[in-house]
Amino acid sequence: QQPVQSPQAVILREGEDAVINCSSSKALYSVHWYRQKHGEAPVFLMILLKGGEQKGHEKISASFNEKKQQSSLYLTASQLSYSGTYFCGTVNSGGSNYKLTFGKGTLLTVNP
Amino acid sequence: DAGITQSPRHKVTETGTPVTLRCHQTENHRYMYWYRQDPGHGLRLIHYSYGVKDTDKGEVSDGYSVSRSKTEDFLLTLESATSSQTSVYFCAISDTGILAKNIQYFGAGTRLSVL
Repeated sequence: QQPVQSPQAVILREGEDAVINCSSSKALYSVHWYRQKHGEAPVFLMILLKGGEQKGHEKISASFNEKKQQSSLYLTASQLSYSGTYFCGTVNSGGSNYKLTFGKGTLLTVNP
Repeated sequence: DAGITQSPRHKVTETGTPVTLRCHQTENHRYMYWYRQDPGHGLRLIHYSYGVKDTDKGEVSDGYSVSRSKTEDFLLTLESATSSQTSVYFCAISDTGILAKNIQYFGAGTRLSVL
């Protein structure tokens, strides 16, 4: 079942912060975050595992709330290079070992 | 960057014609995937492979078939293309099925238009 991402789109000025959420109706084992720039391939950012800690990637970090079956991606002090579409991909507890189900994406635009 | 090559990168075809897209990898990864990406739908899994000659269906497999005769090549075939199959197709690879490490690396994509 496809995870739900919110918001669908967000516009920031350089230096502002943003939060992107990913929610599932099923118990999650792991959440993966990818970023896709316009006209390019998705690129892996990070994985969060059930029972794991918050992960970070430069000024981008994420958390995983197992009870709420959701993950949040935090972008702090945004840069122009952060612009793109962010996708979460989920692996459900008890699900296939090697299949990700992606959300519809969140379009992030960072303006000067 | 992971060594993934998709061909062709762009293709225009007519309704009813067969189309084959190729994904070639040089990473010797076991798992390969075909996704389609459409506005408002995100990435949807068409088929995937967990080894040579081992394939399975994804969530949007109707109208598509796949084959994997070698580790490095994964072919996606549209037996009789329809306009609803106009999309951007991405191939992805990963080096393990272990939940914790299923990092997927994507190819550059193939833009297919069915007229």
